This record gives sequence, C-alpha cells and structure tokens, in this order.
Amino acid sequence: ETGVTQTPRHLVMGMTNKKSLKCEQHLGHNAMYWYKQSAKKPLELMFVYNFKEQTENNSVPSRFSPECPNSSHLFLHLHTLQPEDSALYLCASSHGQRNTEAFFGQGTRLTVV
Amino acid sequence: KQEVTQIPAALSVPEGENLVLNCSFTDSAIYNLQWFRQDPGKGLTSLLLIQSSQREQTSGRLNASLDKSSGRSTLYIAASQPGDSATYLCAVPSYNTDKLIFGTGTRLQVFP
Repeated sequence: ETGVTQTPRHLVMGMTNKKSLKCEQHLGHNAMYWYKQSAKKPLELMFVYNFKEQTENNSVPSRFSPECPNSSHLFLHLHTLQPEDSALYLCASSHGQRNTEAFFGQGTRLTVV
Repeated sequence: KQEVTQIPAALSVPEGENLVLNCSFTDSAIYNLQWFRQDPGKGLTSLLLIQSSQREQTSGRLNASLDKSSGRSTLYIAASQPGDSATYLCAVPSYNTDKLIFGTGTRLQVFP
C-alpha cells in the first residue's frame, strides 16, 4: 500500500467510449500528477496539479481531460481515444516542492480497442 | 534540456551477487535524485531519495550514491535475491517545472 490508490486497475474501452480513471491519495500531499507509460518509452508527464490548480499540461491531446476537485483526488476523463493511447497510466503525488519525494499508485492498464 | 540515461538496459545475475546500476543526467543543477522499483504491470515504488546536498543514502541492502558534478548516480544492491527482480528507474525533477524526468530503466533478473 503506497498511500496512492488508482481505480480501475485494468480498463478496456472502445474508441467511441467515455471512461474515467480515478486517483486518491491519503498522504496529505498538495500536488498530484498523471504520467503515461508506453512500452519501451520513458514515463511521460501528462498533467500536474498543485493545490487543485493545473500547473502543467505537457501538450496532451484534448481527448484526455483531467479534473482535480480537491488535493486528495484526481481524475482523468477519457473520450474518443485511439489504439495508440493504450498504456499504463500512473498517478503520483508529492508535497509539491521539487526537493520532496514522489509516491506513485499501482497504475491503470488501459487498452483501447 | 535534462536527459536521464540508465545503463545497462538489462541485467541478469545469479542470486547472491552484489551489483551496480547506473544513472546519468546531463544537467547537474538538480534538487534531488530518486530511485524507483517497478514490477511488471505495476506502479512505481520509491526506494531512495538523495537530496542534492547528500552523497549517498542507504536502505537495507540498497545504497545509492550521487555525484552531481559528474552527473551520475549509482544504485548498489548487496547480496541480490530473486525477489529483487524488477525494473529500476531513476528520476530527477525538472529544474523549472514540477515534472520528474525518468530514465528508461534497468531491467534486473536475479535467478536462483
């Protein structure tokens, strides 16, 4: 148990579906992150939220829509995805200062068919 | 632009060996460096965080060192065990944003 919980763990969706990934942290952190991990590529940052405000969007397509209602919860809303969006989506949290440790969830394995 | 490289990409060793994993970064102006472990299909588990002012950190059989001036960190695993089999990732925070920049990892297999 890392203190960062992601649901669902696995998701298969069609290209016309709409689904959401959920992340929850119980560590009292102020910053939350979405990362994408594709096969044979380094982890790529998608979005950063600090105190519920989005501070970074790493040129992510609009078919990915993040939502951060409070410092403990982070969502990633998905719609009209492409097969190349299939990947492991990882959520992380930290105190939001650059010299502090980041903690990751177990990830959601997404397959787009 | 910060770039992080890990060598070797894969490593297979018999149980009991001491081993060293390498991480290099191009910009030495870092706040810290973090080592993670990732089991197949799973999330990342934080192993060690070394602040920029530190030279090394230890946790059990793991010891991580940091040499900022040469842009290098090593993760030393003593008396390796089959349970150590996983991918090991290093990451540094980007200097002017909130993101971690990761290496591509070293995939370690320890066989009995």
